[in-house]
Parts: sequence; C-alpha cells; structure tokens
Amino acid sequence: GAVVSQHPSWVICKSGTSVKIECRSLDFQATTMFWYRQFPKQSLMLMATSNEGSKATYEQGVEKDKFLINHASLTLSTLTVTSAHPEDSSFYICSARLAGAETQYFGPGTRLLVL
Amino acid sequence: GENVEQHPSTLSVQEGDSAVIKCTYSDSASNYFPWYKQELGKRPQLIIDIRSNVGEKKDQRIAVTLNKTAKHFSLHITETQPEDSAVYFCAANENDYKLSFGAGTTVTVRA
Repeated sequence: GAVVSQHPSWVICKSGTSVKIECRSLDFQATTMFWYRQFPKQSLMLMATSNEGSKATYEQGVEKDKFLINHASLTLSTLTVTSAHPEDSSFYICSARLAGAETQYFGPGTRLLVL
Repeated sequence: GENVEQHPSTLSVQEGDSAVIKCTYSDSASNYFPWYKQELGKRPQLIIDIRSNVGEKKDQRIAVTLNKTAKHFSLHITETQPEDSAVYFCAANENDYKLSFGAGTTVTVRA
C-alpha cells in the first residue's frame, strides 16, 4: 500500500516552454502532497506543500508564479514549471501523506532537462 | 525552522561490518524522525522511523536510537550487505507535517 506515482518520469524541453508534472496517490487519499527538488548529489529541498482544495504553501525563495501547483483532488497534485530555463533542470519528486499520519511516501521522481 | 545536520557525508564499510550515521536537529518541538534510503536515480524509500516517545526502534538489521535531550538520533545498520549501498537521509518533522532533511550519507559496502 501507499504507492505514489509520477508522470512523466523524464522530460526534455526547450527553454521558455512550460512543463507539467503529475503526482498521484494510487491506493490512498492524500490530504497533503509535497513537492521537492533535488540537484545531483544533494539533499531533498522542499519547494511547496500542496493541500487538496486550497492554495499551495511555498517555501521561502520558491517563486509561486513560476512553479504552479494545483491539488484538485485527494489523489492528484500537479506541478507546472512555467517558462522553464536551464537552471530549472533538476530531479523533481513529490510525496504524499495520509490524513492524520506523519509518514511521507515518495513518488519515483521526474527528471527535467531544459535545453 | 528546523535544521538537521547529518554526518558523515560518506561512509565506506566492509561487508559484514556495521554502519552508523548520526543526525542532530535544532527544534525541540520535533517529534518524528524518519530515515530514507535512496538508490541512484530512484525515489527515497522509508526504511525506519521513530517517534519521540521511544528511545530505540529495531527492524531486523536496522535500528534507530533517539536522544531527545541532546537532540540527536542515529541509524545503525548491522551485518552490512552490498545491497545496503545507497544514500541515506535522516529527517525531522516541522509544523504542518513538513520534513526537514539532512544532507545525506553515501554508504558504500565493499565486498
């Protein structure tokens, strides 16, 4: 149980385009989903907290207009990287938690390469 | 906010030996401490967690200890095997169910 999927697993795009990443909880309802970014050989950096039916909460330094998050249902959250630039190239990972529980279950990640 | 420090950054052990990774945290309000294992290019996977109401937890070859007074917790892997080679992250919870992660420890088990 507690399986989280992400789509796509990897994406290559041109600078200036937008990319949407989906995060789904497959066998549970996720009250909260989190979006992280991980650069090579570095730790997971929280970008934002996504709550179903409400606006996402962004961490300091993360531009909310550049990283659009939508959490339309208890099983789906999306992250859209708008006007992507090469410096946005990274490994984006989502996680989800069950209501009332602390444990976060991670998706497989999406590797984004912006040319 | 919470600040989690993790040591060492790299750890090489002989197969069959033990590996110990240590983390400290800054926020005394933190009460949940998970450990994740991440293989190259893969998702972090929860391997064990501990809550502040216990001092030690064990699951087969993996154990975690917590010292609330000193605000540090450790991961112990015994009888290491090549498949234990990975990056290990400790974390501590913050408000709103957020997790603050350590910098990670790259563990290499030499056959």
